[in-house]
Amino acid sequence: DAGVIQSPRHEVTEMGQEVTLRCKPISGHDYLFWYRQTMMRGLELLIYFNNNVPIDDSGMPEDRFSAKMPNASFSTLKIQPSEPRDSAVYFCASTTNTEAFFGQGTRLTVV
Amino acid sequence: SQKIEQNSEALNIQEGKTATLTCNYTNYSPAYLQWYRQDPGRGPVFLLLIRENEKEKRKERLKVTFDTTLKQSLFHITASQPADSATYLCALPAYSGAGSYQLTFGKGTKLSVIP
Repeated sequence: DAGVIQSPRHEVTEMGQEVTLRCKPISGHDYLFWYRQTMMRGLELLIYFNNNVPIDDSGMPEDRFSAKMPNASFSTLKIQPSEPRDSAVYFCASTTNTEAFFGQGTRLTVV
Repeated sequence: SQKIEQNSEALNIQEGKTATLTCNYTNYSPAYLQWYRQDPGRGPVFLLLIRENEKEKRKERLKVTFDTTLKQSLFHITASQPADSATYLCALPAYSGAGSYQLTFGKGTKLSVIP
């Protein structure tokens, strides 16, 4: 397996634009997590899914953030409208038990 | 909610010495604790998991201890090498009990091994 695949690797966008981040989890993993990492706050859990169903989205900072998992092999995290404070590295991770497998991340810069 | 603290943001040690990193947590009793390694520009990579009924676990040059009374884990790298330079993250399940798979991470300790 190629591991967790995220796209794009880098995204630069203007304030107010919509941003969509994509994730393909490892096949067979039934949990999928979206994290955000910044120097100030470290790695924060935004939302996670179990069997494609959102279980806990309490970490999603605002209504501007939304996430979907239409099937077992694909998830998106959308920010609309984006703001400069959303600049961070966004990670997707998947697991079937305790050990989490992370993607390479998407570095988002909102100018 | 739980709080996780890793003792220092950065640690510099000489090659060949033992590096010791600390992870402290408060407010609950996790069923297990994990350590991850993160290199610049990459996602965290799982290293070790230790369960609440285990005092110590080893993997090659790595050793992890778990003291549930002190609410502390120590992570040791023996005979450290420059290739061990990275940020090391402590992670715990967000809630007590079985079946909690979402992880809360510490901010990490950046280890630099000097040749």
